[in-house]
Amino acid sequence: AQKITQTQPGMFVQEKEAVTLDCTYDTSDQSYGLFWYKQPSSGEMIFLIYQGSYDEQNATEGRYSLNFQKARKSANLVISASQLGDSAMYFCAMREGLGGFKTIFGAGTRLFVKA
Amino acid sequence: GAGVSQSPSNKVTEKGKDVELRCDPISGHTALYWYRQSLGQGLEFLIYFQGNSAPDKSGLPSDRFSAERTGGSVSTLTIQRTQQEDSAVYLCASSGTGVTGELFFGEGSRLTVL
Repeated sequence: AQKITQTQPGMFVQEKEAVTLDCTYDTSDQSYGLFWYKQPSSGEMIFLIYQGSYDEQNATEGRYSLNFQKARKSANLVISASQLGDSAMYFCAMREGLGGFKTIFGAGTRLFVKA
Repeated sequence: GAGVSQSPSNKVTEKGKDVELRCDPISGHTALYWYRQSLGQGLEFLIYFQGNSAPDKSGLPSDRFSAERTGGSVSTLTIQRTQQEDSAVYLCASSGTGVTGELFFGEGSRLTVL
């Protein structure tokens, strides 16, 4: 069965520094997709970055990068040069298969960026 | 509309009443999801529709919860005989047929059961 684990309920980072949010997953499928979403205090869910299980390069989107270690089944999110606006809940998610399958979410990590 | 639309945005009901929550996905999106998010918590998967396939109902917490999707578009989540523990934000999301398949979320329906 699918499972997503985020072990950091809360994280603090100094503005302008980098931070890594941990995510491990469990699946028996060879084809799957991994996602990170941001949820600010306003409640909206914002898609940040995607990594396919067959992608050989780590995904990057601006200040976001995904440190994908397939053998360890980890998909950590790295945020570089943190900004105050990065303070939010961050959710790791996984979808088994290349499409047409459900997406499940981890419990989330609340990130606090200090000025 | 351009995004996922949910209604009502807020619903206050009395324990024991039935409620219906509506989701209008992005036009052309074949997949539709319902999640429940309790205060400060993660997203709990409820149900997933994909095209004309039978829905994946594995996340529905009890038989008081049901959902349907008419014509492959609008979906309604129904909670019968509401309980106080049903109080949460119910999020709907849709996704297209691309390889990435990221979810596009509505703003949620906040349900409060008194």
